[in-house]
Amino acid sequence: SAVISQKPSRDICQRGTSLTIQCQVDSQVTMMFWYRQQPGQSLTLIATANQGSEATYESGFVIDKFPISRPNLTFSTLTVSNMSPEDSSIYLCSVDREGKNYGYTFGSGTRLTVV
Amino acid sequence: AQKVTQAQTEISVVEKEDVTLDCVYETRDTTYYLFWYKQPPSGELVFLIRRNSFDEQNEISGRYSWNFQKSTSSFNFTITASQVVDSAVYFCALTVRGSQGNLIFGKGTKLSVKP
Repeated sequence: SAVISQKPSRDICQRGTSLTIQCQVDSQVTMMFWYRQQPGQSLTLIATANQGSEATYESGFVIDKFPISRPNLTFSTLTVSNMSPEDSSIYLCSVDREGKNYGYTFGSGTRLTVV
Repeated sequence: AQKVTQAQTEISVVEKEDVTLDCVYETRDTTYYLFWYKQPPSGELVFLIRRNSFDEQNEISGRYSWNFQKSTSSFNFTITASQVVDSAVYFCALTVRGSQGNLIFGKGTKLSVKP
């Protein structure tokens, strides 16, 4: 499977500030995906990041709150802007390794706490 | 719309017992993909299996086995001779052709294996 390096692994942030999360993949991929996992909940897709174009956001998520960059085929960032305690979640990036024996590989996650 | 239901919120077993985690999915698409992921307490998501809608063969991998039945829209996961290290939250997920990357996750089943 693809190896994804995600950082930071965790952070505690003050409300009103922003945090940028980075994901580096060890091979070129067309699409990268950003998910949120709220405490005790399942995962929800935030957006899909394609290189060279604007990210595509899912319902309930907006670019002003979660700006995404995708400067090349191995790297992407997600920024959580103007944070509030409700943004406290685990944020994960993901890529698809197509094929029967492969699935979507996830980064190790960023555990964000907003105080 | 797609939906994944994992009716079992928590399961507790004693080591060496067999345990089956249920997953029922809903989709009108004829081409879709099903997944199982393991999320241990450390938080990372570990890919277990990917199955496409045209492959109804059951799968066995060591102590793990999966039973895919399109007739009942189920994709159940069995752990044989459970071990303490199997303790984790297990997620079933679904994506459909043309919407790759948007994994629809179930709410997860928390499995506790006691020694």
